[in-house]
Amino acid sequence: QVQLQESGPGLVKPSDTLSLTCAVSGASINSHYYNWIRQPPGKGLEWIGHIFYTGSTNYNPSLKSRVRMSVGDRSKNQISLKLNSVTAADTAVYFCARGTSWAAAHWGQGILVTVSS
Amino acid sequence: DIQLTQSPSSLSASIGDRVTITCRASQSLTNYLSWYQQKPGKAPILLIYAASTLQSGVPSRFSGSGSGTDFSLTITSLQPEDFASYYCHQTYNTPWTFGQGTKVEFK
Repeated sequence: QVQLQESGPGLVKPSDTLSLTCAVSGASINSHYYNWIRQPPGKGLEWIGHIFYTGSTNYNPSLKSRVRMSVGDRSKNQISLKLNSVTAADTAVYFCARGTSWAAAHWGQGILVTVSS
Repeated sequence: DIQLTQSPSSLSASIGDRVTITCRASQSLTNYLSWYQQKPGKAPILLIYAASTLQSGVPSRFSGSGSGTDFSLTITSLQPEDFASYYCHQTYNTPWTFGQGTKVEFK
């Protein structure tokens, strides 16, 4: 059974860098897309971008200048997200989700990241 | 960016009702449209992909239809566990986008 688990700091200071890791179990990361999606409190879903298992990336233009995704330690089956120069508007639940070009069938439980001093 | 407009934004329904949610795209998606269910505090769950293909394990009371720019999600007989928010999602063009969501509430 494929499972994803996000981890990282739950509190980030304004102008700092948000760094999250998604650990994948039950499947190798050497296939599929890995998406990062976020949801501000009480609001809808926003696609941040995805990384293909080859390492190629595609980012939402609204965040492109601040975001970087990478394949982490392949032996640990990890994907990482970095978002720099954060503001309060970046406060959200961040999800990683594994899928194909059709849809994301497997999601992590999400992690709330609050941007505050 | 491709805009997805869901309607209604919210609806009230009773157990056993037939419920239909629509999603209109600002340009053709062919069939690169999926539907998700989300309950408070939980991650979204994939219900339908490729506009009309039921994800494994999803009850058959859920169905999807449409192509091009107009799509719909139908729940044929609403069950207590179906009260949730529903989102459409396009993966035809990047940036991939979501509809604004439809909240299904108990009447």
